[in-house]
Amino acid sequence: TQLLEQSPQFLSIQEGENLTVYCNSSSVFSSLQWYRQEPGEGPVLLVTVVTGGEVRKLKRLTFQFGDARKDSSLHITAAQPGDTGLYLCAGAQPGGTSYGKLTFGQGTILTVHP
Amino acid sequence: DADVTQTPRNRITKTGKRIMLECSQTKGHDRMYWYRQDPGLGLRLIYYSFDVKDINKGEISDGYSVSRQAQAKFSLSLESAIPNQTALYFCATSGVGLAGGTSYNEQFFGPGTRLTVL
Repeated sequence: TQLLEQSPQFLSIQEGENLTVYCNSSSVFSSLQWYRQEPGEGPVLLVTVVTGGEVRKLKRLTFQFGDARKDSSLHITAAQPGDTGLYLCAGAQPGGTSYGKLTFGQGTILTVHP
Repeated sequence: DADVTQTPRNRITKTGKRIMLECSQTKGHDRMYWYRQDPGLGLRLIYYSFDVKDINKGEISDGYSVSRQAQAKFSLSLESAIPNQTALYFCATSGVGLAGGTSYNEQFFGPGTRLTVL
């Protein structure tokens, strides 16, 4: 069973601060997704990274996939209260009969105070 | 209208009762999944179905069963509910879909069902 360790579990910061969330594994993934979930809703896909070393930017969010495709990070610059939510990383298993299955990290609850 | 819908959104039941949670999707995806979410544990896969005739157990299938009635419908049953099955339950889909442009690794989630077993 592949595992994804996500850290930190909780993050409480002031508006304008920067933060990084980490997602680590000893297993290789074919791709890695980051989701954001708000209370009362299901997770919503933010980004997929596929290539080792890939960096994707979405406005103030920067996502990076490790060179060995075992880890990923999410960096938020100048956090805003609207960034508050649960962030989940999920790794896609490489192939065979498990292709398309995702392994999720435990999640990071981010609270950005005005 | 939402692409992935779940009913009911909230359910309170008693130990020993049989419960069915339903999921419908209009994305045209062939793959559907059931997860449960508990605080600090992320999402854990209960069952998944890659097409109507293909159903597979996930990592925590004990105490649960599923039925894929059609490409668009995937239901989850708790045959005899117990308190430690109290959780948020999510249905998800993946696939190339009607609009194309997505991969099997990108999943789209319903709004969830909050189940409480007393």
